Amino acid sequence: KAGVTQTPRYLIKTRGQQVTLSCSPISGHRSVSWYQQTPGQGLQFLFEYFSETQRNKGNFPGRFSGRQFSNSRSEMNVSTLELGDSALYLCASKDPDGYEQYFGPGTRLTVT
Amino acid sequence: AQSVTQLDSQVPVFEEAPVELRCNYSSSVSVYLFWYVQYPNQGLQLLLKYLSGSTLVKGINGFEAEFNKSQTSFHLRKPSVHISDTAEYFCAVSANRGGADGLTFGKGTHLIIQP
Repeated sequence: KAGVTQTPRYLIKTRGQQVTLSCSPISGHRSVSWYQQTPGQGLQFLFEYFSETQRNKGNFPGRFSGRQFSNSRSEMNVSTLELGDSALYLCASKDPDGYEQYFGPGTRLTVT
Repeated sequence: AQSVTQLDSQVPVFEEAPVELRCNYSSSVSVYLFWYVQYPNQGLQLLLKYLSGSTLVKGINGFEAEFNKSQTSFHLRKPSVHISDTAEYFCAVSANRGGADGLTFGKGTHLIIQP
């Protein structure tokens, strides 16, 4: 099976802009989670989607949002970008009957 | 809520020597425990997990970990490391078996293998 794919891999944006990141889970996986990784804060949970519904959300401002489509693909959006949003954004998919989250390679976002 | 403390930010070890990466957690409920590895410019890969049962868990690449409930620890060990083990290692906990409520990660331990 193909692994979790994330596009784009690298992105450079300017403060105030918005950005959309995409994640395609492993075929058959219906749960998708998003994490932000920064040198200062480490890995932090953003939100989790299952069957197009957000089930859980981490402690992030409303500028961070996401959605999931009927084919389980997920997008996350960050509006009004700030310098502190520069990070590696990781997506993970999981089969609901399983225990392991499979991570994608991430999207490296740089905000200038 | 849960929290994870990885006691060492960096661990230098000579090749073929044993290594232990320490992890302590805090939680008011029962948790499930995980160790992940991250190689440069890559995502996270699961090394091993503790869900229930035997407290000694064996994972991939020769790693193992022991769950100690009384000490709230889940230390990762390998009897003999290789240059290819150089990476960042993350301990994580979840109150949900699959982490649907989100994994809570430690800050990571950079394992540096010296020839």
